Amino acid sequence: DTAVSQTPKYLVTQMGNDKSIKCEQNLGHDTMYWYKQDSKKFLKIMFSYNNKELIINETVPNRFSPKSPDKAHLNLHINSLELGDSAVYFCASSPRWPRINIQYFGAGTRLSVL
Amino acid sequence: LAKTTQPISMDSYEGQEVNITCSHNNIATNDYITWYQQFPSQGPRFIIQGYKTKVTNEVASLFIPADRKSSTLSLPRVSLSDTAVYYCLVGEESYQLTFGKGTKLSVIP
Repeated sequence: DTAVSQTPKYLVTQMGNDKSIKCEQNLGHDTMYWYKQDSKKFLKIMFSYNNKELIINETVPNRFSPKSPDKAHLNLHINSLELGDSAVYFCASSPRWPRINIQYFGAGTRLSVL
Repeated sequence: LAKTTQPISMDSYEGQEVNITCSHNNIATNDYITWYQQFPSQGPRFIIQGYKTKVTNEVASLFIPADRKSSTLSLPRVSLSDTAVYYCLVGEESYQLTFGKGTKLSVIP
C-alpha cells in the first residue's frame, strides 16, 4: 500500500484552465503539506494542514486553494493556470504538528502548462 | 531558521564511503538536523535525524561535532542506486520545512 498517494502523476493543460491535484495518506497522520519543486529543483513549502485546519500558508498566489475534507486528504486546486505554474507538486504528511520529525512524501505530480 | 550550506555536487565510485557535509553556523539550541534523499521523479525520503554526536541506522550515519555548526552524512559503500540528491535540513521540529538545493551525488561504476 502506498503511504502517500497523489493523482494524477502527470498533468498537461492549457493556460487559463482550472485543475486539481488530489492527495491521500493512509498513515494516520494529522498533518499534511503541499510543496512545489521548480525546474531549479528548489523544494518550497506552499501549505500545511493539521487536522483539517490550515496552519501554514506561504506566499502563494490566491489562484492556489488547498482543501482538506478530512485529515487523510489534502487536495490542491489551481485556477487560471499560468506558464509559471509548471513544476512538480509534492504532497507530504507527518505524524503530529508541531512535531514534524519525519515527513513522508508522495511521488509527485508533474504539471505542464502550455 | 538556520541556513544550511552543502556542496552542490559530488562524485564517487561504487563501493566507496561518501561523506556529505552540511554547514549550519546559526544552528539554535532546539534545532535538529535531518537528512532526506531524493531520487529522480520521486519525492524526498527521510534518511536520518540527529541532535548531537553520532546517529547510525541501517542506511547511513550522521556525525555532529560538539559545536553542532556542521554535520556529516556518511553513506557506507555506495552503489549506483545511491545516486540521488541529498538535502540537509536544520530547525526545530516544527520548522523543518525549508529544503535547500541539496547535494547531487553521482555514483560511478
